[in-house]
Amino acid sequence: AQSVAQPEDQVNVAEGNPLTVKCTYSVSGNPYLFWYVQYPNRGLQFLLKYITGDNLVKGSYGFEAEFNKSQTSFHLKKPSALVSDSALYFCAVRDLSGSSNTGKLIFGQGTTLQVKP
Amino acid sequence: NAGVTQTPKFRVLKTGQSMTLLCAQDMNHEYMYWYRQDPGMGLRLIHYSVGEGTTAKGEVPDGYNVSRLKKQNFLLGLESAAPSQTSVYFCASSYSPRSGTGEQFFGPGTRLTVL
Repeated sequence: AQSVAQPEDQVNVAEGNPLTVKCTYSVSGNPYLFWYVQYPNRGLQFLLKYITGDNLVKGSYGFEAEFNKSQTSFHLKKPSALVSDSALYFCAVRDLSGSSNTGKLIFGQGTTLQVKP
Repeated sequence: NAGVTQTPKFRVLKTGQSMTLLCAQDMNHEYMYWYRQDPGMGLRLIHYSVGEGTTAKGEVPDGYNVSRLKKQNFLLGLESAAPSQTSVYFCASSYSPRSGTGEQFFGPGTRLTVL
């Protein structure tokens, strides 16, 4: 079965320090991977995606993610965290099961990032 | 360009009442989705549509119905609301995976409470 796991419910980091939010996936075939961010009382905003090509993907707000096929991981990173980065982060993978491409995404449970001044 | 909009933003229902949530998108997306978000459970897909006039069940479809009469609109209906349907509902849309990479664009959400 296809799945996405975010092993940490919460990540705490001090402002200015690097941050990592972890994501691992399980899919059949080549993965299409996404990161989204959700600020309080808001909808999800697209951050970045990996489809093919370079394993290091750059996205919005200074975020980047590293695709590692051997470890089936797609960790979100930022070199220097800001207090304003505090939010809920979701990793997702396109559901490639079934006979037709429905575009469905499978989401992880979400990781709350807390950046403290 | 408003993107994906949802109405209403908040609603309180009594058990057994019905309501319809409206989602509209102005990006000419073919695909549209309805999710519910509950604490600790991430987003779960309720129903989705791959084009005007078509709908399909997602992961948690029971108690919900949908319609896609126009390409830009996707309606989610609750015929007889239950407290278990208290949640935050998100609509999303995307291009067809055949013509794009599949990222979905989300609306701001509807917070529904069923008493």
